Amino acid sequence: GQNIDQPTEMTATEGAIVQINCTYQTSGFNGLFWYQQHAGEAPTFLSYNVLDGLEEKGRFSSFLSRSKGYSYLLLKELQMKDSASYLCAVRDNPGGYNKLIFGAGTRLAVHP
Amino acid sequence: KAGVTQTPRYLIKTRGQQVTLSCSPISGHRSVSWYQQTPGQGLQFLFEYFSETQRNKGNFPGRFSGRQFSNSRSEMNVSTLELGDSALYLCASSVTGPGTDTQYFGPGTRLTVL
Repeated sequence: GQNIDQPTEMTATEGAIVQINCTYQTSGFNGLFWYQQHAGEAPTFLSYNVLDGLEEKGRFSSFLSRSKGYSYLLLKELQMKDSASYLCAVRDNPGGYNKLIFGAGTRLAVHP
Repeated sequence: KAGVTQTPRYLIKTRGQQVTLSCSPISGHRSVSWYQQTPGQGLQFLFEYFSETQRNKGNFPGRFSGRQFSNSRSEMNVSTLELGDSALYLCASSVTGPGTDTQYFGPGTRLTVL
């Protein structure tokens, strides 16, 4: 089967660092994505990992361990505008064509 | 370049009716994927179309169907609506396919079934 787990909700303080974890069990694995979704808006792409290790992009970093089926998204110097849902998605390719399998998302609330 | 557009943005239907949602991808994008988003389940993959062919399908009943036209615009149809079909329906486009390159999402259609 396919299963992607993320915490449902997290809270953090402005200026702090927060780590959002994602664990996955899928029949196939071909890369992991993180998306950000503000309330009432469309998801937007944040990061992509296909090899083990850390990918850094400004205040956001994403880490992947394929052997552990684990990823995290690290947000530094939190700002109020970072309050959003963060979606972890695994790329699978049954039958040779890619599709994304999403977790339920983690709702992050940043407080002053 | 214009983004992904979806129409209508909001829709209210009653049980048993059918509904058609439309998605216009970014110019040059040939892949369109559809997702259902509910608070408890997150984004659930419905299907993906590329060059008018369905390449992948999620675990949804046959009441959910879709198609893609030669200009890459896509429609999805839900027949015999049920209360549980109330959700945000998102489409996403990419050049070659979901995960192969970046997917861009539309604003979604909020469907309410009464």
